[in-house]
Amino acid sequence: DADVTQTPRNRITKTGKRIMLECSQTKGHDRMYWYRQDPGLGLRLIYYSFDVKDINKGEISDGYSVSRQAQAKFSLSLESAIPNQTALYFCATSDLTATKGELFFGEGSRLTVL
Amino acid sequence: SQKIEQNSEALNIQEGKTATLTCNYTNYSPAYLQWYRQDPGRGPVFLLLIRENEKEKRKERLKVTFDTTLKQSLFHITASQPADSATYLCAYESGNTPLVFGKGTRLSVIA
Repeated sequence: DADVTQTPRNRITKTGKRIMLECSQTKGHDRMYWYRQDPGLGLRLIYYSFDVKDINKGEISDGYSVSRQAQAKFSLSLESAIPNQTALYFCATSDLTATKGELFFGEGSRLTVL
Repeated sequence: SQKIEQNSEALNIQEGKTATLTCNYTNYSPAYLQWYRQDPGRGPVFLLLIRENEKEKRKERLKVTFDTTLKQSLFHITASQPADSATYLCAYESGNTPLVFGKGTRLSVIA
C-alpha cells in the first residue's frame, strides 16, 4: 500500500459543483500539504498544515478550503468548482523532526471541471 | 519576491552522456536545495538534498552542486540511460516554510 494515498485519482465534474479531494498517510508525519500542478506553471502550494490544529494558506488558496481531520488525514475542498481549477492535485507529507525535510507525495488526483 | 528558476524547459541528451540541469534562485538564501524526479502522471520522488554549507553531494550516478555565490545548483546524471528520462524539479526551503518548486526540466535520454 502507498504511504500517501489520494482519492479520487480521477474526477470529472461540472462548474459549480462541490468537490472534495482526500489524502491519508501512514508515515506518521505531522506536516501535510496540498499542491496543484499545471503544465508550464509547475507545482504551486495551496494549503499546508504543520499539525492537526494548524492550517496555513499557500500561494494560491483562493477558491479552496482544507480540513485536517486527524494527523493522518488532510482533505482539500473546492466549494464551487470552476474550469480553471482543472489540474493535477498532489498531497504531500513531511516529518517535523527529520533533518532532511523531504516531501513524500501521493500519486495525484486529476480533476477536470467542465 | 523569492524566485527559483530552472533554465531549460526540456533537455535532450544522447545515452551515455552526462546530463546537466540548472537551478537558479534570486532574492533569498535557502538553507538547502532539494531535487526531485517526476514521471508522467506520478507524484514527485525525492532524490537529493544539499545544504548551503555543502559544495557537492553524490548518490550513485547523481551529483548535485550548490554555489551560493552564483546562487545556483547544478544536477548531473552521469552515464545517462533512457530510464533516466523524466522531469526533474528543484525546490528550496528557507526557514520554516514549505518547499517552493521550480517548474522543472524535462529530460529525454535518446538511445
